Amino acid sequence: GQQVMQIPQYQHVQEGEDFTTYCNSSTTLSNIQWYKQRPGGHPVFLIQLVKSGEVKKQKRLTFQFGEAKKNSSLHITATQTTDVGTYFCAGGNAGNMLTFGGGTRLMVKP
Amino acid sequence: DGGITQSPKYLFRKEGQNVTLSCEQNLNHDAMYWYRQDPGQGLRLIYYSQIVNDFQKGDIAEGYSVSREKKESFPLTVTSAQKNPTAFYLCASSTPLGRYTFGSGTRLTVV
Repeated sequence: GQQVMQIPQYQHVQEGEDFTTYCNSSTTLSNIQWYKQRPGGHPVFLIQLVKSGEVKKQKRLTFQFGEAKKNSSLHITATQTTDVGTYFCAGGNAGNMLTFGGGTRLMVKP
Repeated sequence: DGGITQSPKYLFRKEGQNVTLSCEQNLNHDAMYWYRQDPGQGLRLIYYSQIVNDFQKGDIAEGYSVSREKKESFPLTVTSAQKNPTAFYLCASSTPLGRYTFGSGTRLTVV
């Protein structure tokens, strides 16, 4: 079946440094989604990318979908303590089922 | 406001006891899901339902059961057959385009 791998598993950064998490699928995806889970909370939808090579920005967050629609990345510029949490990518195929990556836990030192 | 409500927030289960976790949504979504999350880990799919009166096993269905008698409700029963049930349980529903909305979760502990 489809597998979605995410790296790194953990990342410690100093506040103000940049952060990137990468997501790779074993199969071509119809779309990729990103979710954020704050410590003790539940995953919250951030964004959905559908088109090959698509790039979307949300303030300091930049999301990319690869040309082959098998990989994606989330880049945070100048991290803040409010960015702390686990970021999950989730790959979609036909229909509405998602396969979640294992998540990247971001820790920010003030 | 539309959303998903999970209850209870915390649940304690004795050995050999069945417990049921509630999940209710008012988003008018057809598809609903149950995930298990262990500390520091990702999301593992337990069961999902694409439509009322139908549901499918996910990756870790053993020791769990569900029902989908109403569109709004998708309760999960953790049975005594589940040997290691202590975890954080998340319910979700999705739009036809696959965007998920999660509930706030239930933390189940075996005592």
